Amino acid sequence: EAGVAQSPRYKIIEKRQSVAFWCNPISGHATLYWYQQILGQGPKLLIQFQNNGVVDDSQLPKDRFSAERLKGVDSTLKIQPAKLEDSAVYLCASSPRRREYKEKLFFGSGTQLSVL
Amino acid sequence: GENVEQHPSTLSVQEGDSAVIKCTYSDSASNYFPWYKQELGKGPQLIIDIRSNVGEKKDQRIAVTLNKTAKHFSLHITETQPEDSAVYFCAASMNSNYQLIWGAGTKLIIKP
Repeated sequence: EAGVAQSPRYKIIEKRQSVAFWCNPISGHATLYWYQQILGQGPKLLIQFQNNGVVDDSQLPKDRFSAERLKGVDSTLKIQPAKLEDSAVYLCASSPRRREYKEKLFFGSGTQLSVL
Repeated sequence: GENVEQHPSTLSVQEGDSAVIKCTYSDSASNYFPWYKQELGKGPQLIIDIRSNVGEKKDQRIAVTLNKTAKHFSLHITETQPEDSAVYFCAASMNSNYQLIWGAGTKLIIKP
């Protein structure tokens, strides 16, 4: 079974520029998550999708961050404009449909973003 | 809301010895407690989990124990090996939203 795919692996941009990250979850997984992980900290949930609908985006800085999940499969996360404090690893995760497995997250390797 | 505290932040043990990482949670409604291992340059990987109706669960060299009364749970790794070196995260969630609240992580160093 293929894992969660993310691209790019690394991105370096200057502040005020825009950037986009892409995620392809495990086939058949209904729930998709975007997390931000700052160095030395645990992952922080940015947004959770169930199929192509948003379940929770309460911690997404909506003035600069946006995310979409078209057709309930792939997802993109965008930052525009980027700030220095956005430097972090952006992790995508997905979880299975079955209720007893919904909390078991499968993570991609992440995109390491450096904002200069 | 739920809060999960994890300690120690760094743990160094001799190869072959045991390692124990502890977490406490604040919301008694939490009923699912996973542990994730994160190696350098990779995303977290689920290594073991436990639900609130179980007090202990083992999988080869790793085990998790849960004390619901005290609201804490622990990860135990026996006979540690170099490949156990990583950052370990605990988390907690409730059935109401299936969202994980994460601890801050423990960097485990296995000394040869």
